[in-house]
Amino acid sequence: EAEVAQSPRYKITEKSQAVAFWCDPISGHATLYWYRQILGQGPELLVQFQDESVVDDSQLPKDRFSAERLKGVDSTLKIQPAELGDSAMYLCASSLPLAAGETQYFGPGTRLLVL
Amino acid sequence: AQSVTQLGSHVSVSEGALVLLRCNYSSSVPPYLFWYVQYPNQGLQLLLKYTTGATLVKGINGFEAEFKKSETSFHLTKPSAHMSDAAEYFCAVNNNAGNMLTFGGGTRLMVKP
Repeated sequence: EAEVAQSPRYKITEKSQAVAFWCDPISGHATLYWYRQILGQGPELLVQFQDESVVDDSQLPKDRFSAERLKGVDSTLKIQPAELGDSAMYLCASSLPLAAGETQYFGPGTRLLVL
Repeated sequence: AQSVTQLGSHVSVSEGALVLLRCNYSSSVPPYLFWYVQYPNQGLQLLLKYTTGATLVKGINGFEAEFKKSETSFHLTKPSAHMSDAAEYFCAVNNNAGNMLTFGGGTRLMVKP
């Protein structure tokens, strides 16, 4: 069964350092999403791609966060510099072409701890 | 704007008892509704979803949910809880062509032996 891959699974860093997370969506899925999930809360969308184009990044803190999907396949989410409040689970999801109601398939997530 | 409210951040049931997890949504247009389950340190897995048609939706692991437009609800039920059902459950709504999901705060289900 095809799955969304994410790495690393866990990351510990010190504040002001740079971190990067990688996501490989299910093959053939044109739409890719990055979510942030703070402990005890539901996921919140950070950025959404359709192929290599950003569809929505209105909730992405652009002063420190960046995301790219250069070839329309895998994607990288970067934080520079990391802050204590960035400690969370970062989830990647993918779906078939952009349409309301399409199921989003989630990866296992990257748990970030900023010290 | 769309939003989701999950009543009860923690629900505890005995093994074999009925599971009922509550979800209410607000949406200005007919919504698509989802339930996801999350086990510790894992991603989210789709349990079931409602798009159109039959309002009673059956999902995996014996779960089902009923879309009630008049009550703006999409409660999740399972007739008999199993220990393996202990997890966090998230209700989500999507009502836009961009397929943006808005999640509720989650309900942690605990199953007692």
